[in-house]
Amino acid sequence: GQSLEQPSEVTAVEGAIVQINCTYQTSGFYGLSWYQQHDGGAPTFLSYNALDGLEETGRFSSFLSRSDSYGYLLLQELQMKDSASYFCAVRPYGNNRLAFGKGNQVVVIP
Amino acid sequence: EAQVTQNPRYLITVTGKKLTVTCSQNMNHEYMSWYRQDPGLGLRQIYYSMNVEVTDKGDVPEGYKVSRKEKRNFPLILESPSPNQTSLYFCASSYPGSYEQYFGPGTRLTVT
Repeated sequence: GQSLEQPSEVTAVEGAIVQINCTYQTSGFYGLSWYQQHDGGAPTFLSYNALDGLEETGRFSSFLSRSDSYGYLLLQELQMKDSASYFCAVRPYGNNRLAFGKGNQVVVIP
Repeated sequence: EAQVTQNPRYLITVTGKKLTVTCSQNMNHEYMSWYRQDPGLGLRQIYYSMNVEVTDKGDVPEGYKVSRKEKRNFPLILESPSPNQTSLYFCASSYPGSYEQYFGPGTRLTVT
């Protein structure tokens, strides 16, 4: 099966950098995705890593290391609108399901 | 506009009264799924569907039913709701094998 672990809450000031980690235990998966959710709203897709390494999308970057069973989302130049919950998710081999971590809440303060 | 819609957005009901939450997508996606979200537990999958008339259980299917008679619609049915089904529910859709799922706005259900 799969389980994904994420720390629960991070507080940071505007302009700072925050790294949200995701460690997982799964026998095999297609890739690691990241989603953002504001205050109980619809989760929205941020990024995806199919291969090991760093993927950069504007202020957000995501990293995957399959050998370490570890990934992270890096939020740079934090803005107030980045206050949200961030979820990692994997799609295990053999099916089309997404398994989500419990999420990490980021609080950005002035 | 490409979107996933859910109705109702908010519902308060009583134990045992059957209810249906509708989900519809206009992106011609084959894959659709239902999740529930509870504090501290993240998103847990209830049921999913790979295509019309093809559905399968997710991680927490007990107490729920689904049907997929049309590609665009994937209703969630609670035959006899109980208070432990009080939760925030999300419908999502995507192309098969896609890493990006599109989520509906959510349905906040309270069962008293």
